[in-house]
Amino acid sequence: DSGVTQTPKHLITATGQRVTLRCSPRSGDLSVYWYQQSLDQGLQFLIQYYNGEERAKGNILERFSAQQFPDLHSELNLSSLELGDSALYFCASSPRGDSGELFFGEGSRLTVL
Amino acid sequence: GESVGLHLPTLSVQEGDNSIINCAYSNSASDYFIWYKQESGKGPQFIIDIRSNMDKRQGQRVTVLLNKTVKHLSLQIAATQPGDSAVYFCAENIDPGGGFKTIFGAGTRLFVKA
Repeated sequence: DSGVTQTPKHLITATGQRVTLRCSPRSGDLSVYWYQQSLDQGLQFLIQYYNGEERAKGNILERFSAQQFPDLHSELNLSSLELGDSALYFCASSPRGDSGELFFGEGSRLTVL
Repeated sequence: GESVGLHLPTLSVQEGDNSIINCAYSNSASDYFIWYKQESGKGPQFIIDIRSNMDKRQGQRVTVLLNKTVKHLSLQIAATQPGDSAVYFCAENIDPGGGFKTIFGAGTRLFVKA
C-alpha cells in the first residue's frame, strides 16, 4: 500500500459526459501528479501540483483540468468525454516537487461508452 | 523532444536467469533516472534510482547502469523469479524551465518462465 488513495476505482460513463477523479496523497506529501495510461501503453504525464499551485504541465487536453486543495487532495476533471479518453488515470505523490520517488495510487479506470 | 524509450516491448526469461531491460533517453540535461515496476492491476512501484553523477547503483537483486555518453540506462535483475513478471518502466526527471516532470518510457513486459 503506497498510501495514495484514488477514487473511484472504476467509472463507466457516456461520451459527452463529465467526471471527476479524486486523489488523496500520502500523509505529508506536498506534490501531486496525474498520469494517463491507455491500454498497454506507457504513462503520459498530465499535470503536477505542489502545495496547491500548478508546478508543471504535460500533454493535458483543454477538456481536462485539475486542482489541488488546501488539504492537499487533488481532483482531475474530465469533460466532453470521448471514447479515446478511456484509460487508467493514476495519481502519484511525493514529499517535494523537485525530484525523487513518486508514490502511485492504484488508479481510476475510466470507460467511456 | 522529451522522450524516454525502450528497446524491446517484451522480454521472456527462464526462472533463475538474469534479466536485462534497456532504455534510451533523449534529454542530455536529465540528472535523475528511476526504474518502476507495474504489476497487473496496480500502480507503478519504485525499484531503484540513479543520479547522473553515478554510472552504477545496486539494490537487492537489481542493478541500474547509466551510460550518459550514449544516453542509455539498463536494469539488471539477478536470479529472476516468477514474482518479477511485470511491466518495467524507466523514467527520467526533466526540468525544461516549465517545471519539473517525470517522463516515463513505453515499458517492457517481462515474462518469467518457470
